[in-house]
Amino acid sequence: DIQMTQSPSSLSASVGGRVTITCRASQSISSYLNWYQHKPGKAPKLLIYATSSLQSGVPSKFSGSGSGTDFTLTISSLQPEDFATYYCQQSYSTPYTFGQGTKLEIK
Amino acid sequence: QVQLQESGPGLVKPSETLSLTCTVSGGSISGYYWSWIRQPPGKGLEWIGYIYYSGSTNYNPSLKSRVTLSVDTSKKQFSLKVTSLTAADTAVYHCVRSRAVAGDPFDYWGQGTLVTVSS
Repeated sequence: DIQMTQSPSSLSASVGGRVTITCRASQSISSYLNWYQHKPGKAPKLLIYATSSLQSGVPSKFSGSGSGTDFTLTISSLQPEDFATYYCQQSYSTPYTFGQGTKLEIK
Repeated sequence: QVQLQESGPGLVKPSETLSLTCTVSGGSISGYYWSWIRQPPGKGLEWIGYIYYSGSTNYNPSLKSRVTLSVDTSKKQFSLKVTSLTAADTAVYHCVRSRAVAGDPFDYWGQGTLVTVSS
């Protein structure tokens, strides 16, 4: 299985600020890396697919980059609704696997 | 807008079989992969497996011996069965869609249903 490691596991930031979350794969996954936002009691939401493509309806404050084994998610102009848990996921090969999550909290 | 809704028991006993169903609305069940993903309390997300609308399947090896997926296209439903349950199977179970294109992400998720395994 491909192991996905996210860092940090939690993060505090201020409204209006900018954060970067990293995700590392245990082997090359080309650009098959996706990012999701999850709020308690809600369905997870796809933000970015194929490393850097923005899902329809997702604001451009979310951006992704990387290739091979190292990837990042950047969120700018943080608003209260952005405070949630973020997961990376590889869709390169089955079994599909996720990072352990990064909980973004308001400072 | 595509919507997925999980249904099934919230409490099942150890050693018994869990059966969950996902109903798809607002879109077609044909042409997509339909997955189940679970999240134990306080832990990460685990992909259980997917079924194509035609019935072909792909299971996570960690659960393969205990899991069966099925699909009923006429009802726009797909289902999950997990046998020989233990407390470790306690989790929120999500049903999820992805396009039948290699590498595509999970683009629609159900809200999830909490299943507790306890006597």
